[in-house]
Amino acid sequence: AQKITQTQPGMFVQEKEAVTLDCTYDTSDQSYGLFWYKQPSSGEMIFLIYQGSYDEQNATEGRYSLNFQKARKSANLVISASQLGDSAMYFCAMREGRYNFNKFYFGSGTKLNVKP
Amino acid sequence: GAVVSQHPSWVICKSGTSVKIECRSLDFQATTMFWYRQFPKQSLMLMATSNEGSKATYEQGVEKDKFLINHASLTLSTLTVTSAHPEDSSFYICSARDGEASNQPQHFGDGTRLSIL
Repeated sequence: AQKITQTQPGMFVQEKEAVTLDCTYDTSDQSYGLFWYKQPSSGEMIFLIYQGSYDEQNATEGRYSLNFQKARKSANLVISASQLGDSAMYFCAMREGRYNFNKFYFGSGTKLNVKP
Repeated sequence: GAVVSQHPSWVICKSGTSVKIECRSLDFQATTMFWYRQFPKQSLMLMATSNEGSKATYEQGVEKDKFLINHASLTLSTLTVTSAHPEDSSFYICSARDGEASNQPQHFGDGTRLSIL
């Protein structure tokens, strides 16, 4: 079974509007972390936001927020007030455990296009 | 913040050549680094886990003799693509974590675009 599932290969959003990128995960571990990364066309991976499995509050970082629904095993990324520079690939990732040798599992990604 | 440097950023070489890619943690020590491969419009595929002072752990289906990994110090891991062929052309990217705090993300290098002619 896939550890991370991103069901939206591509999304369009109008500039200044909010957009939600979906992510569901599969794990039987109690301790895990969920991460979102942005990858522009230049290729670098930019860390956006983190949510821990024990965190009760949804994570927020500036215009990014994470809608964490533990029972549904979903960790959707919400980008508010979209900007043209937000156009990129977005990857959801999960780490089971907390040690440095614990792997990150990545979803297939969502290509976001922000329209002017 | 934690920085991972990857070099070179772009390589074009002839078939049969061996290519070495370096991944350095600039302001932290990394006992573990990860190497990924990414095809166009696809996700990152974990190739191997690089362990300082010991052998790398390769993912299923990755040829260890083809992709040699050396992690000789706490700040440097290298990936050597031996006798590269056109099918090895891809985007290779490394990552490491700065410490084991649960909220520590993977910090990525900027990647290496490898083109084998």
